[in-house]
Amino acid sequence: ETGVTQSPTHLIKTRGQQVTLRCSSQSGHNTVSWYQQALGQGPQFIFQYYREEENGRGNFPPRFSGLQFPNYSSELNVNALELDDSALYLCASSVKGRNTGELFFGEGSRLTVL
Amino acid sequence: AQSVTQPDIHITVSEGASLELRCNYSYGATPYLFWYVQSPGQGLQLLLKYFSGDTLVQGIKGFEAEFKRSQSSFNLRKPSVHWSDAAEYFCAVGDNFGNEKLTFGTGTRLTIIP
Repeated sequence: ETGVTQSPTHLIKTRGQQVTLRCSSQSGHNTVSWYQQALGQGPQFIFQYYREEENGRGNFPPRFSGLQFPNYSSELNVNALELDDSALYLCASSVKGRNTGELFFGEGSRLTVL
Repeated sequence: AQSVTQPDIHITVSEGASLELRCNYSYGATPYLFWYVQSPGQGLQLLLKYFSGDTLVQGIKGFEAEFKRSQSSFNLRKPSVHWSDAAEYFCAVGDNFGNEKLTFGTGTRLTIIP
């Protein structure tokens, strides 16, 4: 069983640029959630995708957007990068309807904005 | 809005000693509570969860947690820690059963000394 994989693992961008982060969900999982973890903080919910549609969003501006593909993989896009966007971005997959509440996390993509 | 407080930023424990990590939550209805562990370079892993029923829940790696509604707490315990338990521990609350949209605390870093 393949776990959640994320790419790239590390990247550096400058203010104003755009970034795309990718996530492959665990086999058999149909839901993908994205979290932002700033240094020294707990993960914060960005949004969740189910059936290729956004299914809930946290307190993040519209420049944070996402996609889910038919194979349940997902992308997180951030436009007009700001210094405060520097963080570890975590993808988590799960099975909606199984009602376990358990998330399976990838190792994350660490974004540095200069 | 739901919230989680982990009052201890950093705890140091001797190997073989007992451990208790504190977690307090704020939520209007029956909470769905989780403890996750994050080791360096790894994604978050679920240790245990509480949805309903027995207020003492057992998890992986010898951890347990007790739900106390009157104190709005969900403290994590382990009777004897191992050096491999050194990691960051996060308490989280979910707003609906199977919702998988979690609110995390800021974490407690656990250091184990020989």
